[in-house]
Amino acid sequence: EPEVTQTPSHQVTQMGQEVILRCVPISNHLYFYWYRQILGQKVEFLVSFYNNEISEKSEIFDDQFSVERPDGSNFTLKIRSTKLEDSAMYFCASSEYLASTEAFFGQGTRLTVV
Amino acid sequence: DQQVKQNSPSLSVQEGRISILNCDYTNSMFDYFLWYKKYPAEGPTFLISISSIKDKNEDGRFTVFLNKSAKHLSLHIVPSQPGDSAVYFCATYSGTYKYIFGTGTRLKVLA
Repeated sequence: EPEVTQTPSHQVTQMGQEVILRCVPISNHLYFYWYRQILGQKVEFLVSFYNNEISEKSEIFDDQFSVERPDGSNFTLKIRSTKLEDSAMYFCASSEYLASTEAFFGQGTRLTVV
Repeated sequence: DQQVKQNSPSLSVQEGRISILNCDYTNSMFDYFLWYKKYPAEGPTFLISISSIKDKNEDGRFTVFLNKSAKHLSLHIVPSQPGDSAVYFCATYSGTYKYIFGTGTRLKVLA
């Protein structure tokens, strides 16, 4: 069964360092998303991506964040200068269509900023 | 601004009984709803969905009910099994390029 894969599963980084979280969405999906969940809190939308550009972003997704689809398979989230409050589980998701369809999520990357 | 609300943070149910998880939403324009199940340190797993043209959708032990006038949906799990113990999120497609999640309900099924 096709699945969304994320690497690494756990990333520890120093405050102020750049991190890149990687995702391989399901191959025939066209819409890509990043969400995050701070421990014990809700699953929060960060950004959606379609046709090589950002479709929508949340207030969380400020200038420190960027996304890229560098080739036909990978979808990355970059945080330029990490802060302690960026520590969270980051989930990549993809969906085949835009509406009336489910999004499939990866297993997540646990980002710990120290 | 909580557009999707799950007012019960936790629920305990005996194995074999029915689990009912509830969700309320605020925007009557929302027309597609989903339930996800999440284990610790894993990503949300899609369970079942419903479109606003229906009021019920069933898949095995899982049934979702939609009451549009009340802006309420519920997930019924019958019979509940210990492996169902997880956090359940309701979500909706917002009509823009994102899914909005509720705060989650932690279900514990007691053996």
